[in-house]
Amino acid sequence: DAKTTQPNSMESNEEEPVHLPCNHSTISGTDYIHWYRQLPSQGPEYVIHGLTSNVNNRMASLAIAEDRKSSTLILHRATLRDAAVYYCILVKNNYGQNFVFGPGTRLSVLP
Amino acid sequence: DTEVTQTPKHLVMGMTNKKSLKCEQHMGHRAMYWYKQKAKKPPELMFVYSYEKLSINESVPSRFSPECPNSSLLNLHLHALQPEDSALYLCASSQIRWAPGQNYGYTFGSGTRLTVV
Repeated sequence: DAKTTQPNSMESNEEEPVHLPCNHSTISGTDYIHWYRQLPSQGPEYVIHGLTSNVNNRMASLAIAEDRKSSTLILHRATLRDAAVYYCILVKNNYGQNFVFGPGTRLSVLP
Repeated sequence: DTEVTQTPKHLVMGMTNKKSLKCEQHMGHRAMYWYKQKAKKPPELMFVYSYEKLSINESVPSRFSPECPNSSLLNLHLHALQPEDSALYLCASSQIRWAPGQNYGYTFGSGTRLTVV
C-alpha cells in the first residue's frame, strides 16, 4: 500500500492561513487523497478528498501537485477550533474499506 | 440522521468481566468498522463488516468478538481483556463504494473510552 508522510506537528496563529503538507511519492493512479481530522476527545471527521484536480469545500481546500506525489490541505483562516490531528490517507479506487491512518500532523492554533 | 452513535461513552471493566460496546447508524451505510486508538496514536483498524458480514479481521485477539446483527447495528463483545487493551474504541460507517463526485467518506462515532483494571 502506498504510504504518506506528514510533519509530526505544526503551529499556526489564529485567523491566519495554514498549509498542511502530505507526501505520497508512491501514489498510484487509482489512489484518491483523503484528509480527515480528529478534534480532541472526538472521532475523526472527513475534511476533503480529491484525485487530480484541486478541490474546495466549506471546510478547506486541497491542492494536489501535478505529479500527485504531494498534496497540501489549506485552512484559509485558522480558528482555535481547528486545533486537531490532521490525517492524509490514500484510498485505492475510492473503495471504502482500505482506510489506513498514518501518524498525522498535530496542529496547534495560537490565539 | 448523519451520526454514528456509540454507547457507552466510558467503560471500566475488570479482567474477568464480559461487556459489550454498541454502535448504531441510520444513514443506510452498508460498511461498518471498529478501530482501536491508543493515546497519541492514530486509529488502528480492527474489523470491517460489509453487508452485515465480516470481511476483514486484522488479526485481532479472540477476546474481542464483533457482531453485526443488522445493517444499522455493530457490537463489539469483550471478554477477559488485559490492561493493555485500554484504549478509545471507535466505530465508523461508510458506503461500500463511492461514486465519482459523491460527497462522502467515513462517519465516525465519538468512541468508547475503555479502561481495563
